[in-house]
Amino acid sequence: GIQVEQSPPDLILQEGANSTLRCNFSDSVNNLQWFHQNPWGQLINLFYIPSGTKQNGRLSATTVATERYSLLYISSSQTTDSGVYFCAVTTDSWGKLQFGAGTQVVVTP
Amino acid sequence: NAGVTQTPKFRVLKTGQSMTLLCAQDMNHEYMYWYRQDPGMGLRLIHYSVGEGTTAKGEVPDGYNVSRLKKQNFLLGLESAAPSQTSVYFCASSYANEQFFGPGTRLTVL
Repeated sequence: GIQVEQSPPDLILQEGANSTLRCNFSDSVNNLQWFHQNPWGQLINLFYIPSGTKQNGRLSATTVATERYSLLYISSSQTTDSGVYFCAVTTDSWGKLQFGAGTQVVVTP
Repeated sequence: NAGVTQTPKFRVLKTGQSMTLLCAQDMNHEYMYWYRQDPGMGLRLIHYSVGEGTTAKGEVPDGYNVSRLKKQNFLLGLESAAPSQTSVYFCASSYANEQFFGPGTRLTVL
């Protein structure tokens, strides 16, 4: 099956810093989503982005499907950005998501 | 519009007991999914459904059964719980590829 690799596995940021999270996948995908799992365990949809670039406030994402990677940018980080960021992809028409292992982000005041 | 809801939020079982987790969605989505998340890992697909009355196996289906008798509900059953099934269980639904997740059920099997 498809392999989804996220880097870095851990990231510690000072409030106000910018960062880039990466997601590499080993095969063509139909679909790619980024999620934020907050410290209470809730999964929050950030982006549905099989290709192209999207922005939502301080977050933006870019997927280059032909080169099999996606990037999530966090600008001017805040303590509320702490948590785990997951990339997940689908390769079929049933929408079954294959998750990466996540990037644990800690933003310190 | 509640989105995706899960019942219960927490549960503790003894080995060999059975239970059913309920997932409900009010978005009229065709597709529904059950995932489990173990510590330090991403989610893994247990079973999924592409419509009322249909179910299919995912990546880790052993020890679980599912039913989709109504479009808005997707049930996950454990017939004889084992400690290896201690996990957080997430339900999701989707219409046009983007999936939306419920708040999760934390299950501990002693």
